[in-house]
Amino acid sequence: QKEVEQDPGPLSVPEGAIVSLNCTYSNSAFQYFMWYRQYSRKGPELLMYTYSSGNKEDGRFTAQVDKSSKYISLFIRDSQPSDSATYLCAMSPWGNEKLTFGTGTRLTIIP
Amino acid sequence: ETGVTQSPTHLIKTRGQQVTLRCSSQSGHNTVSWYQQALGQGPQFIFQYYREEENGRGNFPPRFSGLQFPNYSSELNVNALELDDSALYLCASKGGPEDDTQYFGPGTRLTVL
Repeated sequence: QKEVEQDPGPLSVPEGAIVSLNCTYSNSAFQYFMWYRQYSRKGPELLMYTYSSGNKEDGRFTAQVDKSSKYISLFIRDSQPSDSATYLCAMSPWGNEKLTFGTGTRLTIIP
Repeated sequence: ETGVTQSPTHLIKTRGQQVTLRCSSQSGHNTVSWYQQALGQGPQFIFQYYREEENGRGNFPPRFSGLQFPNYSSELNVNALELDDSALYLCASKGGPEDDTQYFGPGTRLTVL
């Protein structure tokens, strides 16, 4: 069993919809949780960075961490075609380094 | 742009050969990490260097080795290439252990035949 599980999709939603992406994990040592976005032929770029449990909001993006359930989520409101990409969850015991990534969910927003 | 560049963009090698991939980080970024991303998978952590010393390694064999130089450049070397080494190799840099943001380069696509 992988340390981090993520549904690879693909996931297609209409423009303007709310998107929900999630990951589960098994390693209790993970304290730092990140969401990265990766466009085709590009490296991942950091979207959200959270420490421990709780919610964090940044514009149209909201990250949630539930350490008791070992479950993290990313919500995208008012989704746009430019949000079409692969979304990777990542986590680490140490901060934004030495990351363990999920498989990535491929998301397409349909105009 | 992230300020992290990698070369070459693409590379084709045959099984058993050796390869060197290069990365150039932003000035002041003392931490560099390398990740392997197989097709359809998330990146896997290979190792990290801080101020030219290795300070963390993932589950990769010793034939994967690295170097970090004082001019914020670094190398990933892979010996005795295997077919399963075919992947996108990503370099990522950050300022230091307390820096929250890690910047990824665009990657080098390695194909082993």
